[in-house]
Amino acid sequence: DAGVIQSPRHEVTEMGQEVTLRCKPISGHNSLFWYRQTMMRGLELLIYFNNNVPIDDSGMPEDRFSAKMPNASFSTLKIQPSEPRDSAVYFCASTFRGDPDNEQFFGPGTRLTVL
Amino acid sequence: GIQVEQSPPDLILQEGANSTLRCNFSDSVNNLQWFHQNPWGQLINLFYIPSGTKQNGRLSATTVATERYSLLYISSSQTTDSGVYFCAVRTSGTYKYIFGTGTRLKVLA
Repeated sequence: DAGVIQSPRHEVTEMGQEVTLRCKPISGHNSLFWYRQTMMRGLELLIYFNNNVPIDDSGMPEDRFSAKMPNASFSTLKIQPSEPRDSAVYFCASTFRGDPDNEQFFGPGTRLTVL
Repeated sequence: GIQVEQSPPDLILQEGANSTLRCNFSDSVNNLQWFHQNPWGQLINLFYIPSGTKQNGRLSATTVATERYSLLYISSSQTTDSGVYFCAVRTSGTYKYIFGTGTRLKVLA
């Protein structure tokens, strides 16, 4: 299996632009997590999906952030409009059986820079 | 909310040395996991250990939930052990794991 796939790996954009990050979980995994990592705040869970349904989105920082999972093999995290403070590495992780305590497999991350 | 503190924040070891990393948490937890982030940024789950002791090769972990701490032991360290080690805890009623600030480990050849 190719593991969790994220695209793009690097994104540089200007303030105010829309940014879309993409994630393909491991085939057969039915839970997906989006995390954000910054120097100031460390690793934070943004949103958790189980069977394509958002279960916990309490970590989504504000309305500018939205996440979707239209099917079991694809998820997007969108920021509109983007701001410099959104600069971070965004990780997607997936796990099996809908249990957040199962081993989470992380993607390589997307490094976002908002100028 | 729950606080997760890790110590030491930084650690430099000579290859072959042993080390102990500590994770303290401020409230009761349902679960605890240890992660390793390598120098290229890849995150890997090491242990799921809400209580007790587990071993995997040169790594082992112990969680004493009643005293609100967990320890990660690295024996005979190798340069490939370098990176940042995070512990993360989950309390009841939430799916969210709260991550500590990490211990940055550098193993010198």
